[in-house]
Amino acid sequence: DGGITQSPKYLFRKEGQNVTLSCEQNLNHDAMYWYRQDPGQGLRLIYYSQIVNDFQKGDIAEGYSVSREKKESFPLTVTSAQKNPTAFYLCASCFWGNTEAFFGQGTRLTVV
Amino acid sequence: GESVGLHLPTLSVQEGDNSIINCAYSNSASDYFIWYKQESGKGPQFIIDIRSNMDKRQGQRVTVLLNKTVKHLSLQIAATQPGDSAVYFCAEKGDTGNQFYFGTGTSLTVIP
Repeated sequence: DGGITQSPKYLFRKEGQNVTLSCEQNLNHDAMYWYRQDPGQGLRLIYYSQIVNDFQKGDIAEGYSVSREKKESFPLTVTSAQKNPTAFYLCASCFWGNTEAFFGQGTRLTVV
Repeated sequence: GESVGLHLPTLSVQEGDNSIINCAYSNSASDYFIWYKQESGKGPQFIIDIRSNMDKRQGQRVTVLLNKTVKHLSLQIAATQPGDSAVYFCAEKGDTGNQFYFGTGTSLTVIP
């Protein structure tokens, strides 16, 4: 079955540690996105990538890094520079143009 | 940047009634709009979309209306059911690339 998969579903991190969230899609989508969602809030764009080996900062990129070495994969690293990393992280992908984005089921990151 | 906002953060309706969720957008050049449904702890799911060359589109029990004159989007859910309880987001695809812009969301509660 085609889809977009995020792992893990839950993740705990100690302060000062970097952590990488996985996002994989087998939909042959060109563009991939990372969003952050805080309780009772909307989605805020962290980074997005329109093609392999290229990505752009979103509205809240500070403290995060990404890579796009393969079309199928767009991992997000939450670095120790991110001051308030506890949140729900959502990955999405879509084709170019006016088509909807498909979302993964999210990773809930908690800093302990 | 663009902004997509919702008029009401919460909405409660009786089971069987119709629901209307509203959304305002700010970029008159945006040409593609989507409604998503997000259940607690899950990723958003696509409900319906509409392109700017249309003013109405219907799906199963859902209708999206687009008023470009006042930059307003609405989602109508007919015969609302308990399973419709969720947060609903509108999203706008900007004219400056492949980015989506999401509103804060409206939490819909269906009262049995």
